[in-house]
Amino acid sequence: ILNVEQSPQSLHVQEGDSTNFTCSFPSSNFYALHWYRWETAKSPEALFVMTLNGDEKKKGRISATLNTKEGYSYLYIKGSQPEDSATYLCASPMEYGNKLVFGAGTILRVKS
Amino acid sequence: DVKVTQSSRYLVKRTGEKVFLECVQDMDHENMFWYRQDPGLGLRLIYFSYDVKMKEKGDIPEGYSVSREKKERFSLILESASTNQTSMYLCASRDRQQPQHFGDGTRLSIL
Repeated sequence: ILNVEQSPQSLHVQEGDSTNFTCSFPSSNFYALHWYRWETAKSPEALFVMTLNGDEKKKGRISATLNTKEGYSYLYIKGSQPEDSATYLCASPMEYGNKLVFGAGTILRVKS
Repeated sequence: DVKVTQSSRYLVKRTGEKVFLECVQDMDHENMFWYRQDPGLGLRLIYFSYDVKMKEKGDIPEGYSVSREKKERFSLILESASTNQTSMYLCASRDRQQPQHFGDGTRLSIL
């Protein structure tokens, strides 16, 4: 069974702080790693889909890196803003089929 | 833009009722999914479908069934609703190697 774990469970930062959190996944039979942002009262929104070891993707102040050999991905937010407050989910497809296995998420709260 | 539409944002039903949650996607995606989200438990997969009339159980299928008669529509059925099925239900669709697109969710309360 594929286990995707995220840490920390929650994070409180001040506006302007930079922050990062981790997604861990089994390094064998890796297919892809997804990051999603889930704001309160909205549906999860895809941030990145990463497939290659060493991949780095960026979207505005948010970036992500991928290490498939050691089984982790980092999500970075530079200069956090209150609108970045959300739950950040990572997920990876199962070996068979197209099921995504989701981590439990990291809840980020940015105080102004 | 991909659109995944769930039929209701809020729904209140009674214990023992048969409940239907409908989901429609407009991008011809092969794969569709139903999740429930509960505080502290993250997203849990109930059922998914990779083609019309095809379905597979997810992690928590007990008490639920699904129907996929047309490619764009995936229905979740609570055969006999119980209070422990009070939850937020999310539908999603995607194609292989692509990100998943989610509906706005249905907050279901079973009284």
